[in-house]
Amino acid sequence: AQSVAQPEDQVNVAEGNPLTVKCTYSVSGNPYLFWYVQYPNRGLQFLLKYITGDNLVKGSYGFEAEFNKSQTSFHLKKPSALVSDSALYFCAVRPTGFQKLVFGTGTRLLVSP
Amino acid sequence: DAGVIQSPRHEVTEMGQEVTLRCKPISGHNSLFWYRQTMMRGLELLIYFNNNVPIDDSGMPEDRFSAKMPNASFSTLKIQPSEPRDSAVYFCASRMASVGGTQETQYFGPGTRLLVL
Repeated sequence: AQSVAQPEDQVNVAEGNPLTVKCTYSVSGNPYLFWYVQYPNRGLQFLLKYITGDNLVKGSYGFEAEFNKSQTSFHLKKPSALVSDSALYFCAVRPTGFQKLVFGTGTRLLVSP
Repeated sequence: DAGVIQSPRHEVTEMGQEVTLRCKPISGHNSLFWYRQTMMRGLELLIYFNNNVPIDDSGMPEDRFSAKMPNASFSTLKIQPSEPRDSAVYFCASRMASVGGTQETQYFGPGTRLLVL
């Protein structure tokens, strides 16, 4: 079965510190991987994606993610967190041969001043 | 670019009433997706269309739910009759599907917050 796991319901980090939001997946083939962010009462905003090529993907707002095929992971990172980064983050995967995305359960990021 | 447009943004209705949610995808996009988000179940894909044709409706909860896409710029999700357990945020997303797969990003609308009393 295709699935995405975000093992942490919440991640707490102090402003200025690096942050990591974890994502692992279980799908067959070579999936496409995505990160979205959701602010309160808003829709999901696209952050970045991995389709092929360089394993380190850079996205919006200074975020980046590293694709690790052997560990089937796609962790989201940022070198220096901002209070405004506080939001709900979703990892998603599009399995090979499928049109739809499979989403993780989301990780709430809380950045304290 | 106006992005994906959804209406209404908020809907409060009574159990048994018909509810119609509307979506206008991004111009030029050829795939459209309807999702439902709840605290208990997270984000669920209900149905998606390619070139106005429903491809996969396996996520539609039951016969009370129906979706249509009469043209490339408009889709509706209808619930009839509505029940309190349908209360959720409903998102529409669109994408430009390409053969090479490079335009894979789905862009989401702001959502419709539905409350069924």
